[in-house]
Amino acid sequence: DTAVSQTPKYLVTQMGNDKSIKCEQNLGHDTMYWYKQDSKKFLKIMFSYNNKELIINETVPNRFSPKSPDKAHLNLHINSLELGDSAVYFCASSQGGTGNEQYFGPGTRLTVT
Amino acid sequence: AQSVTQPDIHITVSEGASLELRCNYSYGATPYLFWYVQSPGQGLQLLLKYFSGDTLVQGIKGFEAEFKRSQSSFNLRKPSVHWSDAAEYFCAVVLTGTASKLTFGTGTRLQVTL
Repeated sequence: DTAVSQTPKYLVTQMGNDKSIKCEQNLGHDTMYWYKQDSKKFLKIMFSYNNKELIINETVPNRFSPKSPDKAHLNLHINSLELGDSAVYFCASSQGGTGNEQYFGPGTRLTVT
Repeated sequence: AQSVTQPDIHITVSEGASLELRCNYSYGATPYLFWYVQSPGQGLQLLLKYFSGDTLVQGIKGFEAEFKRSQSSFNLRKPSVHWSDAAEYFCAVVLTGTASKLTFGTGTRLQVTL
């Protein structure tokens, strides 16, 4: 049973397009996250939701819009894609409380051409 | 500036040799400390974590880490490396009161030679 799943695994698209990445967790966690890993493997948090409420919003362009329809899902929509958006995007989840283990999904590799 | 530093970008060890990966942090208070591993093409998996108490922490896959407050370090060790340990290793911290925001180091790539 997959704990944190993401779709799609690979996404190739052209500049200017709009795309979405979906994330689902079946762990019963109340907090979900989006991280971006760049080409140098550097990982940085983008957003976090707790019980469908946005609690972390790093300095991310407003072309990126997260949506959490329920506690088990956190989607990421990206408008007007740019070359610099090419990266691997990881979803993660945890049970609320500082420092609790975050479980990561397998990642979505986004390539913008 | 507040940061997590992994000084070694790339380390190569022979199978069966011991391993130590370095991690230093620069924060006013001791954060929660983590080590994650990322195998090629995979997500991240937690190896171990330190919150408080015993400064030597045991994790999965035979890994351990030692917290040294005086050195602001949290180094990861393994007595005998297996070829399957080849991966990217990330040290990470969570500051209290930051809603579990993980801040990662730049990672250390481990290569294991047979």
